[in-house]
Parts: sequence; C-alpha cells; structure tokens
Amino acid sequence: NAGVTQTPKFRILKIGQSMTLQCTQDMNHNYMYWYRQDPGMGLKLIYYSVGAGITDKGEVPNGYNVSRSTTEDFPLRLELAAPSQTSVYFCASRQQGAGPRRPQHFGDGTRLSIL
Amino acid sequence: AQKITQTQPGMFVQEKEAVTLDCTYDTSDQSYGLFWYKQPSSGEMIFLIYQGSYDEQNATEGRYSLNFQKARKSANLVISASQLGDSAMYFCAMRESAGNQFYFGTGTSLTVIP
Repeated sequence: NAGVTQTPKFRILKIGQSMTLQCTQDMNHNYMYWYRQDPGMGLKLIYYSVGAGITDKGEVPNGYNVSRSTTEDFPLRLELAAPSQTSVYFCASRQQGAGPRRPQHFGDGTRLSIL
Repeated sequence: AQKITQTQPGMFVQEKEAVTLDCTYDTSDQSYGLFWYKQPSSGEMIFLIYQGSYDEQNATEGRYSLNFQKARKSANLVISASQLGDSAMYFCAMRESAGNQFYFGTGTSLTVIP
C-alpha cells in the first residue's frame, strides 16, 4: 500500500546544479501537487496538475518546472539551484470528485539543501 | 488576505487534558472544505479530519473533533484526552469547491506535557 512515493529523501546540491525530485502515486488520483515547506512555516504551492498533460502554477513557481506525462508520475525539476530553494518538498495527490471533501495524501517529503 | 489563519504558534497541554487549536478562514465561496493535518517531528503529513461547509454536524474522528462556526468562519480542532504522541505541528487547510488549490495555515506546534 505505497500511496505517494517521493525520491530522494535527502539531497545536497551545489548552487547552479540541477536535479529532479520524483513523485509517483499508485492510487490513480488525477490531482497532484508540489509544495515547499520552509522552516517553521506552512506549505506553499509550487505547481499542481489536474491530469496527465495538464499543469498549472501555484503560489511560488519561479525556479521550478513540472511535467505530467502519466497519471502516476509528477516530477519537479530545479534547473539552476539557488540557496533560497533550500526547503522540504512535499508531493501530494487527491482523488477527483465529490466536491471539496477529498483530502490530499502526502508523500514523506524530500529534504533539499543547496550550498 | 490570508485564506487560513492560525494565530497560535505554540501550545502546551497536560497529558489527558483537552486542547483547542484555532483556525479561521477567509472565503466568499459557499461550498468549501476544511482539513486538519498533523505533522510529527518525523516530517510526514497525516490527514486528521474534514469539515464541509454544508455539513450540519461538527466532524468527529476518534479523539479529534471540529468546532465549526460558519458565521465566524472558524474551524477549531479539539483534541480530547491528549497523549504524548499528539505532540506535533498541526495545520489547518481549506479548498474551495470552485478551485483546485489547497490553502494552508502556518501551523500550531502542540507539546503534550506528561
């Protein structure tokens, strides 16, 4: 019963490097989200997707890119890592339908440090 | 304007006592959902409880209940009979039916004292 799986769990990057944070879910959820959580703060939405081939910006999209080629996978790409992107990244998914009552299911997070 | 406001950065409660964590929200939509999540020190986000704007009863899930006051736009989480394992960050979130985004508050850190 995997749910939402994020890899890697931890990563240290140098300034200017690029990397992809992986997220996959096995619940056949249409909706997927990427958040960042800075120390002592709540979650801020980076990007989200309502289905394969459809993505949209959230509150803090600058410096990130996403793609959604399949229902299961929603990778987040950092092209030129900057210290301000040091954060914990959460991927989440939810089922479509039934009004607003469907909660999000979260992965365990990726802790990313950029030095 | 903030969609979700949690005004208590930190709370302490004695073991076995009840505690209320505050959450107020801002929306002009009639249909919306309110969620509470728990984040223990291990970091994962755990869904606790849901309240719909049209639900007539306050939501309950075991020791968790929601004190939903629609006119005041508040959805406070009540944890009864606190346990040491309840020590964690608690986040309130909202999704409007017309939208796809969830809005999160800044969280409340709860510490249960033995």
